[in-house]
This record gives sequence, C-alpha cells and structure tokens, in this order.
Amino acid sequence: SQQGEEDPQALSIQEGENATMNCSYKTSINNLQWYRQNSGRGLVHLILIRSNEREKHSGRLRVTLDTSKKSSSLLITASRAADTASYFCATDANQGGKLIFGQGTELSVKP
Amino acid sequence: GAGVSQSPRYKVAKRGQDVALRCDPISGHVSLFWYQQALGQGPEFLTYFQNEAQLDKSGLPSDRFFAERPEGSVSTLKIQRTQQEDSAVYLCASIASANTGELFFGEGSRLTVL
Repeated sequence: SQQGEEDPQALSIQEGENATMNCSYKTSINNLQWYRQNSGRGLVHLILIRSNEREKHSGRLRVTLDTSKKSSSLLITASRAADTASYFCATDANQGGKLIFGQGTELSVKP
Repeated sequence: GAGVSQSPRYKVAKRGQDVALRCDPISGHVSLFWYQQALGQGPEFLTYFQNEAQLDKSGLPSDRFFAERPEGSVSTLKIQRTQQEDSAVYLCASIASANTGELFFGEGSRLTVL
C-alpha cells in the first residue's frame, strides 16, 4: 500500500510558469525524497530532505517539509517543456533504505 | 556497470508460464530493492536485500513471487504460474549504503501476461 497521497494527480501549465506539487504521508520518517519518471523509463532521484530540515533547494527545485503536518511540497520554478514527467514523493521510515512511494503527480508543461 | 541494468526490458508471457527478471545493480551497492509499478500508479515495494540476505519480503503479493540474490550482487525476481494481474513494470533499484539515501533505479522490465 502507498504511504501517502500526492496532489494534484495531474497538472498542466505553460512554459515559464511555476509548478507546485504536494505530498502527504502517514508515519514518522527519517527523510523524504522526490523522484521524477519520464514515460516508460525508470525513476531518477531529484532531491532528499531530512526530517530535521524544513527547506532545501537544488537548481530550479525547492522542497519544503512540515513534519508536524506530515506534508511536503515540491516547487519547480520557470518550468520547461523538458520538465514534463511524473513526479513522486517517497518516504524513508528508517527501514534499511526502503522507500514508500506516493501515487505521483503527472506534470505537463506546454511550450 | 555505470547504472542499474534490468533484463529483459519487455516480456510477454501466457497465463500460467513462469518468468524470471534479472537485475544487475551498481557495482558495490549494498542493498537492492524490487518494486512493482502498475500503469498510472506509484511503485509498490516488493522486497529488498542487504548483500545476499533478504531482509524484507513483506510486499511480495503471493507465494508465486520469489526473489534471490545469492552472491550479493545480481538479483532475480521469479514469478511462477503468471496471472493477468501480474502485468506491470518491475523496477529494480540499488543503494550505496545499508541504511539510507538515494535509490538508483533501472529502466524496468515490463511484463504483460496474456
């Protein structure tokens, strides 16, 4: 079973706009990670935020974590058509590296 | 190799056939994970190994599913007497440490059971 939920399930925006995806989870965690998946491909790691961190940046990505609300958000700024993909959050509950994934957000960026 | 390698990339099986899916993790990676991903869904955990030891197989859907990693490197996921509901992409991932960190995924093996 999935750890939590992501919303929206699908998001369609224009190039240059920002995209925000949200993730909620249920149990206490060691860290939370975001992954990207292009159609028909494997998942690629984007960013990891530890349970004692509140915000993290990597290039055009900004991730926040609120452990009191058991939620996280991923912001992609100045989106590009190449950002079109599915994005998944995944939680690590300190079980040997095992990750539990959400259902994902399908992002479409139109040129 | 440079990344996680999975084979075959595509497999079509008739209902009742046995299939074997192979995963070659990144050299030196301690832990290896198998996930099942249905169309339009997130990956669902199946099982994981730390070296050759299978530490968690709680996600395996039935006793028709079996995984092994006998020498702590290559792993095989075997599905016996395949059913239509087994149709999915099977993803393998490896991790450098034994505890936590980024997972490196292969491209997956897409299984279609007719």
